[in-house]
Amino acid sequence: DAGITQSPRHKVTETGTPVTLRCHQTENHRYMYWYRQDPGHGLRLIHYSYGVKDTDKGEVSDGYSVSRSKTEDFLLTLESATSSQTSVYFCAISESAGRNTIYFGEGSWLTVV
Amino acid sequence: AQKVTQAQTEISVVEKEDVTLDCVYETRDTTYYLFWYKQPPSGELVFLIRRNSFDEQNEISGRYSWNFQKSTSSFNFTITASQVVDSAVYFCALSEFTNAGKSTFGDGTTLTVKP
Repeated sequence: DAGITQSPRHKVTETGTPVTLRCHQTENHRYMYWYRQDPGHGLRLIHYSYGVKDTDKGEVSDGYSVSRSKTEDFLLTLESATSSQTSVYFCAISESAGRNTIYFGEGSWLTVV
Repeated sequence: AQKVTQAQTEISVVEKEDVTLDCVYETRDTTYYLFWYKQPPSGELVFLIRRNSFDEQNEISGRYSWNFQKSTSSFNFTITASQVVDSAVYFCALSEFTNAGKSTFGDGTTLTVKP
């Protein structure tokens, strides 16, 4: 199994509060990703990183920011959580983009009430 | 833009039946990669297979087989003699060489195998 740890695994928060999800990898992979999974929408890319301090937006990046200060850590922040951000969030890693397999963490269940 | 379509939202079969999950993709790249993932009820995402656009050879792994046809832009997945443990959501995904980093996933097919 790829060494990916997400924290917290479960969180309930109130609308308008900031939330940060953390992803930690032990594989020294260059690429890290944040996806969200919602019923009927599969997995949608929020942001990804191709190196320390190098990030880019995915298809559903509005309302989210990310940071990567170390190779092993990729943080996803919801600046002001909304109910539409209730979802399961998956962190993923790959050695490079495209040809390399993306490996996923176990997911973080976020509920915004 | 890249796109993956899994037209079958849900499939239900009885154990030991064969089942095929369809995946159709769209891309303008000549170099791309296709993947299948399995998500069992426990929620984790498990990698099953990767195929690059230059390799149309079908692959078999135990009860699993994959049929990649560039002519129809399809990468279908067949489970032979299905088992209850095959019950899961299956996702097909596409990564373009020129759009590296922005893999696209289909919406998934929920397979239920009944005993």
